[in-house]
Amino acid sequence: GAVVSQHPSRVICKSGTSVKIECRSLDFQATTMFWYRQFPKQSLMLMATSNEGSKATYEQGVEKDKFLINHASLTLSTLTVTSAHPEDSSFYICSVSSGGGYTDTQYFGPGTRLTVL
Amino acid sequence: EDQVTQSPEALRLQEGESSSLNCSYTVSGLRGLFWYRQDPGKGPEFLFTLYSAGEEKEKERLKATLTKKESFLHITAPKPEDSATYLCAVRSLNYGGSQGNLIFGKGTKLSVKP
Repeated sequence: GAVVSQHPSRVICKSGTSVKIECRSLDFQATTMFWYRQFPKQSLMLMATSNEGSKATYEQGVEKDKFLINHASLTLSTLTVTSAHPEDSSFYICSVSSGGGYTDTQYFGPGTRLTVL
Repeated sequence: EDQVTQSPEALRLQEGESSSLNCSYTVSGLRGLFWYRQDPGKGPEFLFTLYSAGEEKEKERLKATLTKKESFLHITAPKPEDSATYLCAVRSLNYGGSQGNLIFGKGTKLSVKP
């Protein structure tokens, strides 16, 4: 399976500041990456699909101006939480697909714990 | 509406006590059912993919099965290191594009005591 890294693993920030989270595909080139959010005892919820060289596709209810996604290369996607507030505190996880088509598997990164004070 | 329900929410087993976890789903055309394991504070780790009713897959003490309405993750003679949250996810025809989308259940938290 694919190897995915995230940085940082944990971040604490003050309300109103912006935070950038990096997601890297270490062993293959990923044209598509996914960003999920997981609240305690809840399901993973897809936030957006990140496409290399084009605009991200956001799920309904996710503010694209608040959660900025950049997928500038085949191995790196970044998620920037702008003007973060305590309600944005969550576990953010990215994933990459093993390939194109309907039979691909998603492999997940280790996650980033964001705490907004 | 596509939906995934996992049961039980939590399961406590003694080491060696076999059991099964359930994942019930309603989707508009299944394009894959996925099982993941998630340890506390970590991202999900891929276990299995099942595509059609009757399909089975095994890995060490785990065996996943699939019917038209549900999937089971059977754990045979579990060990304490099997303790984790097990997540089930489905991909359905409702989501277009070449990648589709995964709909996750809330997971079953498994604790195996020595």
